[in-house]
Amino acid sequence: NAGVTQTPKFRVLKTGQSMTLLCAQDMNHEYMYWYRQDPGMGLRLIHYSVGEGTTAKGEVPDGYNVSRLKKQNFLLGLESAAPSQTSVYFCASSYGERTSYEQYFGPGTRLTVT
Amino acid sequence: KNQVEQSPQSLIILEGKNCTLQCNYTVSPFSNLRWYKQDTGRGPVSLTIMTFSENTKSNGRYTATLDADTKQSSLHITASQLSDSASYICVVSDDYKLSFGAGTTVTVRA
Repeated sequence: NAGVTQTPKFRVLKTGQSMTLLCAQDMNHEYMYWYRQDPGMGLRLIHYSVGEGTTAKGEVPDGYNVSRLKKQNFLLGLESAAPSQTSVYFCASSYGERTSYEQYFGPGTRLTVT
Repeated sequence: KNQVEQSPQSLIILEGKNCTLQCNYTVSPFSNLRWYKQDTGRGPVSLTIMTFSENTKSNGRYTATLDADTKQSSLHITASQLSDSASYICVVSDDYKLSFGAGTTVTVRA
C-alpha cells in the first residue's frame, strides 16, 4: 500500500516548456487535489477532482490544466512554464469531500523554471 | 478572507526540551482544525484533528489545544527528539475548504 505517489520528484524546465506531473493513489479515494507550496506561504489549491472524469478550479488555477481519466490518477499539466511556477507541488487524496475526511499527501515534486 | 497565522516562524530547541507553537485564525464558519507535521522533502502528515467541541487532543508527545472563542490553537511538543525537526502546519477548515498556515519550522539540536 504505497498511499499517494508523485512523479517526478524533481524537474527543471526552461521558460515556455511544457510538462506533466503524475499523481497516483491506491486507496480508492474519490477526491484528489493539486496544491503548490511556496516559501512563507501556506499550501494553495490549484485544481481538484471529485471523481473520475471530473475536474474543478481551486484558488490558483491559472497556467495549469488537469485531467482525471482514471480514478487512481490525477495529472497536472503546465503548457508553457513560467518562472512564477517555480514551486513544490503536492498531490493529495481523500475519501470524501467534507474536510472531516483526512487528506493524504504525496511526497511532492520540486519544479524549477529558469 | 479566511486566514491562518502561525508563530513563531521558526524556532530552535535542545533535545529533551518542550516547546509550544501558536496558530490564530479567522476562518468562518469553523468546522475543524488540524495540525500537520511536514518532514523536509516529504508531504504533510496529520497529527491531530479537533472540532468545535474539543479543546485538547493528544498524539503521543504532541498535544494540541483549541480555544474556539478566541480562535486560537497551540501545539505543544513534550520532551523533544531529533526526529521532531520538521515544519508544523496549522490547517483550519470550514465544511469544504482547507486554509493552510505557512508553518513553523522546528529544529531540535542535540
